[in-house]
Amino acid sequence: AQTVTQSQPEMSVQEAETVTLSCTYDTSENNYYLFWYKQPPSRQMILVIRQEAYKQQNATENRFSVNFQKAAKSFSLKISDSQLGDTAMYFCAFMNTNAGKSTFGDGTTLTVKP
Amino acid sequence: DVKVTQSSRYLVKRTGEKVFLECVQDMDHENMFWYRQDPGLGLRLIYFSYDVKMKEKGDIPEGYSVSREKKERFSLILESASTNQTSMYLCASWDRPTEAFFGQGTRLTVV
Repeated sequence: AQTVTQSQPEMSVQEAETVTLSCTYDTSENNYYLFWYKQPPSRQMILVIRQEAYKQQNATENRFSVNFQKAAKSFSLKISDSQLGDTAMYFCAFMNTNAGKSTFGDGTTLTVKP
Repeated sequence: DVKVTQSSRYLVKRTGEKVFLECVQDMDHENMFWYRQDPGLGLRLIYFSYDVKMKEKGDIPEGYSVSREKKERFSLILESASTNQTSMYLCASWDRPTEAFFGQGTRLTVV
């Protein structure tokens, strides 16, 4: 069974600064997908970034990047130039390649302060 | 744009009622999921389906069942609602290897 751990229930950052959200996971599989999702107060889950486990290169989407350490089973999210609209709950998620079981972390509530 | 639509945003039901939560996706995705979201517990997988009439139990299937008669529709059924099933329910559909697309959530209150 997979587990996903987000050790930071809450974090805050000043506008325009950089923040890193932590995620570790445990699995015996070799091929899988990892995701960071954002859930703003509207409740709509939005994909932030995706990483395929077989790719060594870290994924990047504009101000969002990940540090994927497969051997350490670590998948952290870095948000650069934080904006007020980044305020949300962030979930780290694991999905196996069979599109079956998925596992989400407990979430990190991020507040961006003006 | 992929759209995943859940039939209700808010729902109040009485203990013992049979409750249906409906989810429809419009992108011909094979895989659909039902999650429950509770504060401090993240999203927990209730059931998922990888094809019509196929279903698999997730991590917390007790007290729930599902139905997938058509590819685009995945229903979550609470056979006899209880107060401990008060929660936010999220439906998602997924076409690997891309992302899972989520509905807007149904906040269910059982009184």
